[in-house]
Amino acid sequence: QKEVEQDPGPLSVPEGAIVSLNCTYSNSAFQYFMWYRQYSRKGPELLMYTYSSGNKEDGRFTAQVDKSSKYISLFIRDSQPSDSATYLCAAWDGGATNKLIFGTGTLLAVQP
Amino acid sequence: SQTIHQWPATLVQPVGSPLSLECTVEGTSNPNLYWYRQAAGRGLQLLFYSVGIGQISSEVPQNLSASRPQDRQFILSSKKLLLSDSGFYLCAWAGTVANYGYTFGSGTRLTVV
Repeated sequence: QKEVEQDPGPLSVPEGAIVSLNCTYSNSAFQYFMWYRQYSRKGPELLMYTYSSGNKEDGRFTAQVDKSSKYISLFIRDSQPSDSATYLCAAWDGGATNKLIFGTGTLLAVQP
Repeated sequence: SQTIHQWPATLVQPVGSPLSLECTVEGTSNPNLYWYRQAAGRGLQLLFYSVGIGQISSEVPQNLSASRPQDRQFILSSKKLLLSDSGFYLCAWAGTVANYGYTFGSGTRLTVV
């Protein structure tokens, strides 16, 4: 079992839809959770970052962590064609190795 | 501000040829440095990471090697490329992961023919 599991998609939605992207993880030691956005042929860029459980909102994006069920989510409101990208979740246990564990990524296409 | 440079952007190399990809970071000191490979339609595979000059940890046995000759320079190499080495190679750096996560370079698309 991978430490971080993510549905690869692809996920296709119409413009303006609410998008829900999800990951599950198995390591209870994970404390820090991140979402990266990767456009085609580009490096991933950090989109959202949360520590422990709870919600974090940034504009149209909301990151949610439920440590009791080991579930992390990214919600995109009023989705735009420019949101079309691969979204990768990542987790870190706070250890000295500083190694993030990534999900495989979900490919999102927002249709105009 | 910190920036990361990775080159070249694309590379086409014949099987059996050597490889050298370079990554440099500016605006920070003693960063943690990482090399990832991303195969088409697949996730990020950590290849090497380094916490200091000359300190390299390998995550998977393979045809590649890494070196860190200077604090902010990370090099990925191969003596003889295989077809299976094709992929998208990403360099990343982290200062304090807890605060900023990783910052990735723009990537090198390697095609071995």
